[in-house]
Amino acid sequence: SQQGEEDPQALSIQEGENATMNCSYKTSINNLQWYRQNSGRGLVHLILIRSNEREKHSGRLRVTLDTSKKSSSLLITASRAADTASYFCATDKGSARQLTFGSGTQLTVLP
Amino acid sequence: KAGVTQTPRYLIKTRGQQVTLSCSPISGHRSVSWYQQTPGQGLQFLFEYFSETQRNKGNFPGRFSGRQFSNSRSEMNVSTLELGDSALYLCASSLEGQGGGYTFGSGTRLTVV
Repeated sequence: SQQGEEDPQALSIQEGENATMNCSYKTSINNLQWYRQNSGRGLVHLILIRSNEREKHSGRLRVTLDTSKKSSSLLITASRAADTASYFCATDKGSARQLTFGSGTQLTVLP
Repeated sequence: KAGVTQTPRYLIKTRGQQVTLSCSPISGHRSVSWYQQTPGQGLQFLFEYFSETQRNKGNFPGRFSGRQFSNSRSEMNVSTLELGDSALYLCASSLEGQGGGYTFGSGTRLTVV
């Protein structure tokens, strides 16, 4: 079963704008990861944030984690058409040795 | 270094048949996990192998099985295929299978007719 939900389910923005996606989860975690998927291809690991971290940056990506609310957000700044993809959050409980994925956000960046 | 390689890329099978999918992890990675992705259920964990041992299994029927070889390559097998087994099957490798990011292959698209 899926860990939680992501919202919005779909997001359409203009190139250059920022995109924010949210993820909620249900149980305690060791870390939370974000992945990108282009058109039914494999998942690409974007960023990992550990349960004792609140914010992390990587290039144009900014991830926040609020363990008290069991939620995370992914911000993509200055979006490009090439960012068009599905984005998934995934939680890792550590000992379970598996990822539990959210339902995903389909991001469309219009040129 | 080479990424995670999954073969075949596409597969069409008939109901009742069985299928074997292959995954070669990144060199040095000892953990291999398998996931099923469908439009209805999303991404779901199948199982994880580390050093030829299955350490964790998801909530799938016994028709789904897997194994890992001494070189860390892994195969998954689905017997008595059902229409609902049509999905993208993704393999992921990691060093230890916990606490870090995973590298996914491009997947095998299985269609059961």
